[in-house]
Amino acid sequence: GEDVEQSLFLSVREGDSSVINCTYTDSSSTYLYWYKQEPGAGLQLLTYIFSNMDMKQDQRLTVLLNKKDKHLSLRIADTQTGDSAIYFCAENSGNTPLVFGKGTRLSVIA
Amino acid sequence: DAGVIQSPRHEVTEMGQEVTLRCKPISGHNSLFWYRQTMMRGLELLIYFNNNVPIDDSGMPEDRFSAKMPNASFSTLKIQPSEPRDSAVYFCASTLQDPGGTGELFFGEGSRLTVL
Repeated sequence: GEDVEQSLFLSVREGDSSVINCTYTDSSSTYLYWYKQEPGAGLQLLTYIFSNMDMKQDQRLTVLLNKKDKHLSLRIADTQTGDSAIYFCAENSGNTPLVFGKGTRLSVIA
Repeated sequence: DAGVIQSPRHEVTEMGQEVTLRCKPISGHNSLFWYRQTMMRGLELLIYFNNNVPIDDSGMPEDRFSAKMPNASFSTLKIQPSEPRDSAVYFCASTLQDPGGTGELFFGEGSRLTVL
């Protein structure tokens, strides 16, 4: 079945850029997503990218999609302590449920 | 909109007891999902419904788990009897399945279950 892989931990200094990477296996993915989970809360959609795009920028967030390599990344510029959370990569194709990665725990050091 | 509402937020129970988790999806959404989150396994899809009909329950761990959706605004996940290994955070999520939509899932805040 479809699989989404991401590294489990990332630690960065406040003010630096964070890059969270994700690989997926489903070549028919329509949308790819980044969700953010803060402590004690549910997941919230951070941003998404349509599969025919290779980049999307939204303020401090930049999403890069390499469809050939099935690689998705999320860059957070000027990382703040409030960005500390777990970030989940997810993909879907059509009406099938989203497939989530295990999440990357981002720790921001002041 | 109030978002996806789950109850209880926290439940502590003893092994062997029945546990019922509840979910109210966002009004107008036609798909509902139950997930379980643990440190070891991450986020696992247990079951999902389209238009109140269970579509795929292959993620339900075993017969001790059951889920129902009697109407478009309510769903339950029941564990009977509960075991310590069921301890986890259980999330409900809903979405409007729409060919032109983005498929965004809206999550509740979760129900943290501890089975002693």
